[in-house]
Amino acid sequence: GAGVSQSPSNKVTEKGKDVELRCDPISGHTALYWYRQSLGQGLEFLIYFQGNSAPDKSGLPSDRFSAERTGGSVSTLTIQRTQQEDSAVYLCASSQGAEDEQFFGPGTRLTVL
Amino acid sequence: KQEVTQIPAALSVPEGENLVLNCSFTDSAIYNLQWFRQDPGKGLTSLLLIQSSQREQTSGRLNASLDKSSGRSTLYIAASQPGDSATYLCAVDTSYGKLTFGQGTILTVHP
Repeated sequence: GAGVSQSPSNKVTEKGKDVELRCDPISGHTALYWYRQSLGQGLEFLIYFQGNSAPDKSGLPSDRFSAERTGGSVSTLTIQRTQQEDSAVYLCASSQGAEDEQFFGPGTRLTVL
Repeated sequence: KQEVTQIPAALSVPEGENLVLNCSFTDSAIYNLQWFRQDPGKGLTSLLLIQSSQREQTSGRLNASLDKSSGRSTLYIAASQPGDSATYLCAVDTSYGKLTFGQGTILTVHP
């Protein structure tokens, strides 16, 4: 029952490798968000999915970042050719609809060596 | 571009004190404002959501107010406890749930 879940909880990768981060939102929530939390930048919005609409990708920092949401539920955030500046905690949130209360997962801590 | 500022950056108080955390934002065209707490190494826990049409919300010992026209919100914590120690984050929604966060207030409540 749960809340939002994310996997893995920790990921260590080498510079240049691709990584995939997974988010399972709360059942029935139509809106899903990805955020990034880093020491220098604080918490920043990355991408937003609402139902079957095209995602809002306005927060993605570069074209190395992409995300998809399958069947209106699970979402995967992919980072290609990782760089050291990608090291951060990646947080996923879901809500019943846009502008409703957002519930966050525990995050994935990504370290790029 | 929306900017959110939280004051103070850190606060240390003895147990039992009532305290106020402040949040200000530059663009008053918001849909709602949400307060969160974050414990070290954890995700965010939602505390209170105030819609733009509301002036305040209460949950237990927490009370949050919103003055949209002046771009301010306060989070009031009554009778603070050591378990309240955490980072408190304010976030405003200016577009379809895309939250803009402040840098947070680190609260320490000592016994």
